[in-house]
Amino acid sequence: EVQLLESGGGLVQPGGSLTLSCAASGFTFSNYAMTWVRQAPGKGLEWVAAISDSGVGTYYGDSVKGRFTISRDNSKNTVYVQMNSLRAEDTALYYCVKDRCRSGSCSVLDYWGQGILVTVSS
Amino acid sequence: QSVLTQPPSVSAAPGQKVNISCSGSSSNIGNNNVSWYQQLPGTAPKLLIYENNKRPSGIPDRFSGSKSGTSVTLGIAGLQTGDEADYYCGTWESTVGAGVFGGGTKLTVL
Repeated sequence: EVQLLESGGGLVQPGGSLTLSCAASGFTFSNYAMTWVRQAPGKGLEWVAAISDSGVGTYYGDSVKGRFTISRDNSKNTVYVQMNSLRAEDTALYYCVKDRCRSGSCSVLDYWGQGILVTVSS
Repeated sequence: QSVLTQPPSVSAAPGQKVNISCSGSSSNIGNNNVSWYQQLPGTAPKLLIYENNKRPSGIPDRFSGSKSGTSVTLGIAGLQTGDEADYYCGTWESTVGAGVFGGGTKLTVL
């Protein structure tokens, strides 16, 4: 059974930093791209970032480019997103998602974690 | 403003069929495969359709997908009250190299 467990969320001040982690199990982690998707309270889904199976390819949405960094450690079956210069509009539930593909650029999101809340507020 | 355009809401009676549209452009839907996701209230999204018209294991054949040019459609037949959810289309946007979603469609089963 595929399981994705996010951690590291919480309350952070504007301009601050936070790193989310996602521990994966139930599949061969190093064979699949991973993606972060977020959902602001009462809003729709927003694609945030993706990373290829090897970690060589990384992709970012316009709203987070230059502020967020996605990475992975295949030896630990874990994907991360480091979030810097956080803004109030980054407040959202962040989902860790497994992709069906290896590349990170096909965006077929077949398994989702339960999400973790990040609140940016003073 | 989402790159992919969906109607905010649709409704139909139990047992009926409903179609949810998603329109884009040549840089996204026109040249890439599209997926559909179902988000039941208070839960994480779930993959319903991928590569425009394929169903993952466990998804009933009441759910179908089609594509024509720069638009896709999700069809849900034999509507049940348990189908009430938000539905999102998603694909890859080639010009910026990132994933994109539609704004979502809330389905009400009257």
